[in-house]
Amino acid sequence: AQSVTQLGSHVSVSEGALVLLRCNYSSSVPPYLFWYVQYPNQGLQLLLKYTTGATLVKGINGFEAEFKKSETSFHLTKPSAHMSDAAEYFCAVTLSGSARQLTFGSGTQLTVLP
Amino acid sequence: SAVISQKPSRDICQRGTSLTIQCQVDSQVTMMFWYRQQPGQSLTLIATANQGSEATYESGFVIDKFPISRPNLTFSTLTVSNMSPEDSSIYLCSVEGQRKTQYFGPGTRLLVL
Repeated sequence: AQSVTQLGSHVSVSEGALVLLRCNYSSSVPPYLFWYVQYPNQGLQLLLKYTTGATLVKGINGFEAEFKKSETSFHLTKPSAHMSDAAEYFCAVTLSGSARQLTFGSGTQLTVLP
Repeated sequence: SAVISQKPSRDICQRGTSLTIQCQVDSQVTMMFWYRQQPGQSLTLIATANQGSEATYESGFVIDKFPISRPNLTFSTLTVSNMSPEDSSIYLCSVEGQRKTQYFGPGTRLLVL
């Protein structure tokens, strides 16, 4: 079975500051890892994903995440926050084997202060 | 990625009634999923819907309460039956693309009074 832990249900940053949203996973086999963003009154949009290959993955809107197997982490970063980044962010994991179930973290609400 | 639409986008319903939510995809997909997102919560998988077979329900969800249809490779419906205020949630469908990546519809926001 797999699980995901997102540290910090609410994160506030100033506009232009670094964004760091934390995600740790638990998986008995190599995982596939995802970050999704949910803007108010909208569905989930895929930001980026790690499946195999390069451990540093770049996504949309200037976000990137690094898969660190030794730390079982997949933290999401963006060098400079923009007001439009304010949203709920979800980390998710699925197994690279036959199982298709996507397990979500509890989410992190990002607030960007002017 | 696939373009996914859901109908209705939102609804307000009376307790004891049922609502059917439609999910339409612009391409043929094998796997479709239905999720529930309760207020302020994360997503919980309700069931997996394959075309031509019965849906597979997760623990805590039953077919009598959440019947699902999957008549073809581009369409699915989820019915929320005999609703109570506890069913007030966002219901999202998703489809599986390459490398088990799921893409989500815009969601249906349901309020039960």
